[in-house]
Amino acid sequence: DAGVTQSPTHLIKTRGQHVTLRCSPISGHKSVSWYQQVLGQGPQFIFQYYEKEERGRGNFPDRFSARQFPNYSSELNVNALLLGDSALYLCASSAEALARAANNSPLHFGNGTRLTVT
Amino acid sequence: QKEVEQNSGPLSVPEGAIASLNCTYSDRGSQSFFWYRQYSGKSPELIMFIYSNGDKEDGRFTAQLNKASQYVSLLIRDSQPSDSATYLCAVGGNNRLAFGKGNQVVVIP
Repeated sequence: DAGVTQSPTHLIKTRGQHVTLRCSPISGHKSVSWYQQVLGQGPQFIFQYYEKEERGRGNFPDRFSARQFPNYSSELNVNALLLGDSALYLCASSAEALARAANNSPLHFGNGTRLTVT
Repeated sequence: QKEVEQNSGPLSVPEGAIASLNCTYSDRGSQSFFWYRQYSGKSPELIMFIYSNGDKEDGRFTAQLNKASQYVSLLIRDSQPSDSATYLCAVGGNNRLAFGKGNQVVVIP
Protein backbone atom coordinates (compact mmCIF):
# COMPACT_ATOMS: atom_id res chain seq x y z
CA ASP A 1 0.00 0.00 0.00
CA ALA A 2 1.18 3.48 -0.77
CA GLY A 3 2.05 5.67 2.18
CA VAL A 4 1.34 9.36 2.49
CA THR A 5 2.36 11.09 -0.73
CA GLN A 6 3.27 14.75 -1.01
CA SER A 7 4.03 16.95 -3.96
CA PRO A 8 6.17 18.65 -4.95
CA THR A 9 9.25 17.38 -3.13
CA HIS A 10 11.14 20.65 -3.47
CA LEU A 11 10.03 24.15 -4.27
CA ILE A 12 11.78 27.50 -4.55
CA LYS A 13 9.68 30.65 -4.36
CA THR A 14 10.28 34.37 -4.05
CA ARG A 15 9.05 36.54 -1.19
CA GLY A 16 5.47 37.66 -1.73
CA GLN A 17 4.53 34.72 -3.93
CA HIS A 18 1.92 32.10 -3.21
CA VAL A 19 2.45 28.34 -2.88
CA THR A 20 0.19 25.29 -2.89
CA LEU A 21 1.35 22.01 -1.41
CA ARG A 22 -0.52 18.75 -1.96
CA CYS A 23 -0.98 15.60 0.04
CA SER A 24 -2.69 12.24 -0.43
CA PRO A 25 -3.28 10.22 2.74
CA ILE A 26 -2.86 6.51 3.24
CA SER A 27 -5.80 4.66 1.71
CA GLY A 28 -8.59 4.46 4.26
CA HIS A 29 -7.29 7.33 6.39
CA LYS A 30 -9.76 10.17 6.78
CA SER A 31 -7.64 12.63 8.75
CA VAL A 32 -4.87 14.80 7.35
CA SER A 33 -2.63 17.09 9.36
CA TRP A 34 -0.05 19.62 8.26
CA TYR A 35 3.15 20.44 10.14
CA GLN A 36 5.98 22.87 9.54
CA GLN A 37 9.51 21.90 10.52
CA VAL A 38 12.29 24.44 10.45
CA LEU A 39 15.88 23.28 10.67
CA GLY A 40 16.88 22.13 14.13
CA GLN A 41 13.35 22.15 15.54
CA GLY A 42 10.55 19.66 15.93
CA PRO A 43 7.49 19.82 13.67
CA GLN A 44 4.97 22.54 14.52
CA PHE A 45 1.26 21.89 14.05
CA ILE A 46 -0.50 23.95 11.39
CA PHE A 47 -3.86 22.29 10.64
CA GLN A 48 -5.85 19.12 11.06
CA TYR A 49 -8.73 18.10 8.80
CA TYR A 50 -11.08 15.22 9.36
CA GLU A 51 -13.92 14.31 7.03
CA LYS A 52 -13.32 17.55 5.12
CA GLU A 53 -13.77 19.73 8.18
CA GLU A 54 -11.09 21.71 10.00
CA ARG A 55 -10.63 20.14 13.42
CA GLY A 56 -7.64 22.07 14.64
CA ARG A 57 -5.50 25.08 13.82
CA GLY A 58 -2.09 25.91 15.18
CA ASN A 59 -0.56 29.28 15.90
CA PHE A 60 0.06 30.34 12.31
CA PRO A 61 -1.04 33.54 10.56
CA ASP A 62 -4.02 33.76 8.23
CA ARG A 63 -1.65 33.57 5.27
CA PHE A 64 -1.79 29.82 5.87
CA SER A 65 -4.93 28.00 4.79
CA ALA A 66 -5.85 24.47 3.89
CA ARG A 67 -8.68 22.32 2.69
CA GLN A 68 -9.55 18.65 2.36
CA PHE A 69 -11.30 17.16 -0.63
CA PRO A 70 -13.96 14.42 -0.85
CA ASN A 71 -11.25 11.85 -1.61
CA TYR A 72 -9.51 12.95 1.64
CA SER A 73 -6.53 14.49 -0.14
CA SER A 74 -5.53 17.92 1.06
CA GLU A 75 -3.90 21.16 -0.01
CA LEU A 76 -1.95 23.64 2.09
CA ASN A 77 -1.82 27.17 0.73
CA VAL A 78 0.54 29.88 1.89
CA ASN A 79 0.11 33.45 0.62
CA ALA A 80 2.53 36.38 0.68
CA LEU A 81 5.53 34.18 1.38
CA LEU A 82 8.16 35.38 3.83
CA LEU A 83 11.75 34.24 4.18
CA GLY A 84 10.76 32.66 7.50
CA ASP A 85 8.35 30.32 5.73
CA SER A 86 11.32 28.35 4.43
CA ALA A 87 10.93 24.93 6.00
CA LEU A 88 10.04 21.30 5.49
CA TYR A 89 6.27 20.99 5.26
CA LEU A 90 5.01 17.66 6.43
CA CYS A 91 1.66 16.07 5.81
CA ALA A 92 0.49 13.25 8.04
CA SER A 93 -2.53 11.02 7.93
CA SER A 94 -4.26 8.98 10.57
CA ALA A 95 -7.28 6.72 10.66
CA GLU A 96 -9.15 8.89 13.12
CA ALA A 97 -9.08 12.48 14.25
CA LEU A 98 -6.87 12.59 17.33
CA ALA A 99 -9.63 13.71 19.65
CA ARG A 100 -12.06 11.10 18.39
CA ALA A 101 -10.23 7.95 19.38
CA ALA A 102 -9.77 6.99 23.01
CA ASN A 103 -6.25 6.01 22.05
CA ASN A 104 -5.03 8.64 19.65
CA SER A 105 -4.20 7.24 16.25
CA PRO A 106 -0.53 7.50 15.39
CA LEU A 107 0.37 9.93 12.64
CA HIS A 108 2.13 8.64 9.55
CA PHE A 109 4.16 11.27 7.74
CA GLY A 110 4.83 11.76 4.08
CA ASN A 111 8.29 12.60 2.77
CA GLY A 112 7.58 16.31 2.99
CA THR A 113 7.91 19.29 0.71
CA ARG A 114 11.07 21.34 1.14
CA LEU A 115 10.12 24.99 0.57
CA THR A 116 12.81 27.60 0.09
CA VAL A 117 11.78 31.25 -0.02
CA THR A 118 14.37 33.65 -1.46
CA GLN B 1 7.09 26.49 29.57
CA LYS B 2 7.21 24.55 26.32
CA GLU B 3 4.62 21.84 25.79
CA VAL B 4 7.21 19.13 25.19
CA GLU B 5 10.80 19.42 26.31
CA GLN B 6 13.78 17.40 25.24
CA ASN B 7 16.71 19.11 26.84
CA SER B 8 19.60 16.74 26.36
CA GLY B 9 22.26 17.65 23.84
CA PRO B 10 23.63 15.24 21.24
CA LEU B 11 24.09 11.74 22.68
CA SER B 12 27.08 9.67 21.61
CA VAL B 13 26.96 5.97 22.46
CA PRO B 14 29.26 3.08 21.54
CA GLU B 15 27.85 0.41 19.30
CA GLY B 16 26.11 -2.23 21.41
CA ALA B 17 25.42 0.11 24.33
CA ILE B 18 22.07 1.44 25.58
CA ALA B 19 20.90 4.89 24.49
CA SER B 20 18.51 6.62 26.88
CA LEU B 21 16.35 9.57 25.85
CA ASN B 22 14.05 11.61 28.06
CA CYS B 23 11.08 13.88 27.48
CA THR B 24 8.79 15.90 29.73
CA TYR B 25 5.43 17.43 28.87
CA SER B 26 3.29 20.15 30.42
CA ASP B 27 -0.33 19.13 29.69
CA ARG B 28 -1.56 16.68 32.34
CA GLY B 29 -4.53 15.82 30.12
CA SER B 30 -2.32 14.33 27.41
CA GLN B 31 -3.39 10.84 26.45
CA SER B 32 -0.95 9.55 23.89
CA PHE B 33 2.78 9.58 23.56
CA PHE B 34 4.95 8.83 20.57
CA TRP B 35 8.59 8.52 19.62
CA TYR B 36 9.60 9.30 16.06
CA ARG B 37 12.98 8.78 14.44
CA GLN B 38 14.15 11.26 11.83
CA TYR B 39 17.18 10.76 9.64
CA SER B 40 18.85 13.86 8.27
CA GLY B 41 16.83 15.28 5.39
CA LYS B 42 14.03 12.78 5.82
CA SER B 43 10.58 12.87 7.40
CA PRO B 44 9.78 11.52 10.88
CA GLU B 45 9.16 7.79 11.15
CA LEU B 46 7.01 6.37 13.98
CA ILE B 47 8.93 3.87 16.08
CA MET B 48 6.96 3.61 19.33
CA PHE B 49 3.71 4.72 20.90
CA ILE B 50 2.50 4.31 24.46
CA TYR B 51 -0.78 5.21 26.12
CA SER B 52 -0.60 3.70 29.63
CA ASN B 53 1.78 4.10 32.53
CA GLY B 54 4.63 1.62 32.58
CA ASP B 55 6.90 0.09 29.99
CA LYS B 56 6.26 -1.00 26.44
CA GLU B 57 8.84 -3.03 24.56
CA ASP B 58 9.17 -3.50 20.82
CA GLY B 59 12.32 -5.23 19.68
CA ARG B 60 15.33 -3.20 20.81
CA PHE B 61 13.14 -0.24 21.81
CA THR B 62 11.45 0.32 25.17
CA ALA B 63 9.18 3.27 25.90
CA GLN B 64 8.47 4.22 29.49
CA LEU B 65 5.62 6.48 30.61
CA ASN B 66 5.02 8.08 33.99
CA LYS B 67 1.95 10.31 33.83
CA ALA B 68 2.26 11.44 37.46
CA SER B 69 5.70 12.85 36.70
CA GLN B 70 4.71 13.89 33.15
CA TYR B 71 7.71 12.04 31.84
CA VAL B 72 8.28 9.69 28.91
CA SER B 73 11.50 8.02 27.91
CA LEU B 74 12.93 5.82 25.18
CA LEU B 75 15.62 3.20 25.60
CA ILE B 76 17.47 1.78 22.62
CA ARG B 77 19.26 -1.46 23.48
CA ASP B 78 22.20 -2.87 21.53
CA SER B 79 22.59 0.42 19.64
CA GLN B 80 23.56 0.09 15.99
CA PRO B 81 25.12 2.66 13.65
CA SER B 82 21.78 2.69 11.79
CA ASP B 83 20.19 4.09 14.95
CA SER B 84 22.11 7.33 14.43
CA ALA B 85 19.33 9.87 13.92
CA THR B 86 17.29 12.54 15.68
CA TYR B 87 14.60 11.19 17.99
CA LEU B 88 11.46 13.27 18.42
CA CYS B 89 9.13 12.95 21.38
CA ALA B 90 5.50 13.80 20.58
CA VAL B 91 2.49 14.16 22.86
CA GLY B 92 -1.11 13.91 21.66
CA GLY B 93 -4.08 15.98 22.69
CA ASN B 94 -6.43 18.70 21.40
CA ASN B 95 -6.48 17.27 17.88
CA ARG B 96 -2.75 17.65 17.44
CA LEU B 97 0.67 16.32 18.29
CA ALA B 98 3.08 18.58 20.11
CA PHE B 99 6.70 17.74 19.34
CA GLY B 100 9.89 18.34 21.23
CA LYS B 101 12.86 19.72 19.35
CA GLY B 102 14.47 16.29 19.22
CA ASN B 103 17.62 14.64 20.49
CA GLN B 104 20.41 13.64 18.16
CA VAL B 105 21.87 10.19 18.76
CA VAL B 106 25.23 9.19 17.29
CA VAL B 107 26.22 5.54 17.56
CA ILE B 108 29.97 5.11 17.33
CA PRO B 109 31.16 1.86 15.70
